[in-house]
Amino acid sequence: DVVMTQSPLSLPVTLGQPASISCRSSQSLVHSDGNTYLNWFQQRPGQSPRRLIYKVSNRDSGVPDRFSGSGSGTDFTLKISRVEAEDVGVYYCMQFTHWPRSFGQGTKVEIK
Amino acid sequence: VQLVESGGGLVQPGGSLRLSCAASGFTFSGFEMNWVRQAPGKGLEWVAYISSSGTTLYYADSVKGRFTISRDNAKNSLSLQMNSLRAEDTAVYYCARGWASDWGQGTLVTVSS
Repeated sequence: DVVMTQSPLSLPVTLGQPASISCRSSQSLVHSDGNTYLNWFQQRPGQSPRRLIYKVSNRDSGVPDRFSGSGSGTDFTLKISRVEAEDVGVYYCMQFTHWPRSFGQGTKVEIK
Repeated sequence: VQLVESGGGLVQPGGSLRLSCAASGFTFSGFEMNWVRQAPGKGLEWVAYISSSGTTLYYADSVKGRFTISRDNAKNSLSLQMNSLRAEDTAVYYCARGWASDWGQGTLVTVSS
């Protein structure tokens, strides 16, 4: 099974400052069709998860452009260019390339 | 897009429960669907997948042989039949569309005596 490892698990950030979350997979996430199925989700306190990024770097509709995704193979990053108060929550990466699907442990973003 | 889960509740260990997810706002028959769960205070865990036609199914090892995912495209409905429930199955269960582009609000399942 593919293990997804996120770091850090806790990320205190100053408002207006950048934040970066790493996600590493135990196997390459390049599918046989050539795509890399790595998604990022945000879960605000008390809410359902919301997808932010799909296939590594594609922002979902309505997601602010301060969120960006990058990476390839086994190494991926979610960046927030300038953290706002509404960005507080837990962020998860998830791979859709291999069975069974798997999530990272989650990274809790909080304001300093 | 709207996904509304129902059917959660309190059940004794070894018992059964059937969750439903009512879909609207999109062509349900055109999308694969997933169940994902979240134990209290814990992270997300993928549980099960069903293809758009219902012919291809996948399960997490933790539920294989106990849970069954199914769908009724005529009724725009997704289901999860959960048997032989254990305390560790206690979680909020979410249905999610496709590559988890959309999620329901979740339904809480508590397995306890």
